[in-house]
Amino acid sequence: GESVGLHLPTLSVQEGDNSIINCAYSNSASDYFIWYKQESGKGPQFIIDIRSNMDKRQGQRVTVLLNKTVKHLSLQIAATQPGDSAVYFCAEKQKAAGNKLTFGGGTRVLVKP
Amino acid sequence: EPEVTQTPSHQVTQMGQEVILRCVPISNHLYFYWYRQILGQKVEFLVSFYNNEISEKSEIFDDQFSVERPDGSNFTLKIRSTKLEDSAMYFCASRLGEYGYTFGSGTRLTVV
Repeated sequence: GESVGLHLPTLSVQEGDNSIINCAYSNSASDYFIWYKQESGKGPQFIIDIRSNMDKRQGQRVTVLLNKTVKHLSLQIAATQPGDSAVYFCAEKQKAAGNKLTFGGGTRVLVKP
Repeated sequence: EPEVTQTPSHQVTQMGQEVILRCVPISNHLYFYWYRQILGQKVEFLVSFYNNEISEKSEIFDDQFSVERPDGSNFTLKIRSTKLEDSAMYFCASRLGEYGYTFGSGTRLTVV
């Protein structure tokens, strides 16, 4: 069945260090992946996305890597800042499933000063 | 930057009552969604809406739920007879093309 899951529920990182958040997906039909950041009491905020025809995409301080062979997605945050403290979700879209998003369980990132 | 707007931000209702959650999607978007997030759990798909009809719904979206786009700007989610387990954050999302989903800030529904 379809599922998107996260390996680490909580990640503590020192301010200024890099963060890596991982996500596994099970459905090879997924053609689009998104990383969202969610702060307390707020909705999912788009960070970066990647289509299945790519294996890497970079944004401002963030990089998403897609490994379709092992169905693995990661989000790298460079020079983590206190404002990066939040829960991070990966989400996948399957074209055959009406373009809905399926979310993973979330990883909480805590940035220590 | 265009936003998806949801009202109210917090709604408290008694069990058995009807609630309507309101959303104003981004004006030129064509696809609309409702998701919910029970406290401490992941975001779950409820329903998608396109061309004035439901295009897909999840098992959660039973007969107690309905959606409507009553005019050119609003998109509503109605729960006819709320249950305690309906307590959650409800998120509206919209998109224009195949990509580019935008989520609102959510409505926290508390059923007492």
